[in-house]
Amino acid sequence: ETGVTQTPRHLVMGMTNKKSLKCEQHLGHNAMYWYKQSAKKPLELMFVYNFKEQTENNSVPSRFSPECPNSSHLFLHLHTLQPEDSALYLCASSQSGTSGRASGANVLTFGAGSRLTVL
Amino acid sequence: DAKTTQPNSMESNEEEPVHLPCNHSTISGTDYIHWYRQLPSQGPEYVIHGLTSNVNNRMASLAIAEDRKSSTLILHRATLRDAAVYYCILRDGGGGNKLTFGTGTQLKVEL
Repeated sequence: ETGVTQTPRHLVMGMTNKKSLKCEQHLGHNAMYWYKQSAKKPLELMFVYNFKEQTENNSVPSRFSPECPNSSHLFLHLHTLQPEDSALYLCASSQSGTSGRASGANVLTFGAGSRLTVL
Repeated sequence: DAKTTQPNSMESNEEEPVHLPCNHSTISGTDYIHWYRQLPSQGPEYVIHGLTSNVNNRMASLAIAEDRKSSTLILHRATLRDAAVYYCILRDGGGGNKLTFGTGTQLKVEL
C-alpha cells in the first residue's frame, strides 16, 4: 500500500461507453498526476494538477477528461475511447513547494494503476 | 526536459552488487537526478535521488559523477525481488511538475 489508491484496478469498456477512473491519496500531497503506460512504451505524462488547478495537459485527446475536486482526489473520465487507448493508467501524487511549483527534490508516489481494455 | 540514456537491459546474479549506469550529459545546474523502479504489474516506486553529492538510503546508493553528466545506481546485494525496470530521470529543481520517464533498464536477477 503506497498511500495512493486507484479504482478500479481493471476495467473493460466498449468504445461507446462512459466510465471513470478514480485516484485517492492519503499522503497530504497537493500535486496529482495521470500517466499512461502502453505496452512496451515509456510512461507518458497526461495531466498534472497542483492545488486543484491543472498545470499540465500533454496534448491529450478530449475523450480523456480529468477532474480534481480537491487535493486528495483525482478522476479521469473516459468517453468514446478507441482500442489503442487500452493501457495501464497510473496516478501519482507529490508535494509541491510553497510557490505551488514542485521542487526538484519532491518525489512521486504512484498507485498500482488501472488496467483499461477498450473493445 | 534534459534527457537520460540507460542500457536497455542488464543481468545480475543474486547476492551480488549491481551498478546501473545513466548518462545525462545535458543536465542543468538545478536538475535533480531521480531513480524509480517498476516491478511487474505495479506502478513505479521511488528509489533514491540526489543533486550533487552521493546518497545512500536503505534501498540503494547513488553515485554522481563530479561533472554530474552521469550517475550510477548501486544495489549492494541484488535479490530476485529487485528484478524490475529502473528509470533514471532528471527533475527540474527550478520548478515545474513534470517528471518524464524514458525506457529505463530492465534488470534481470538470476539465482
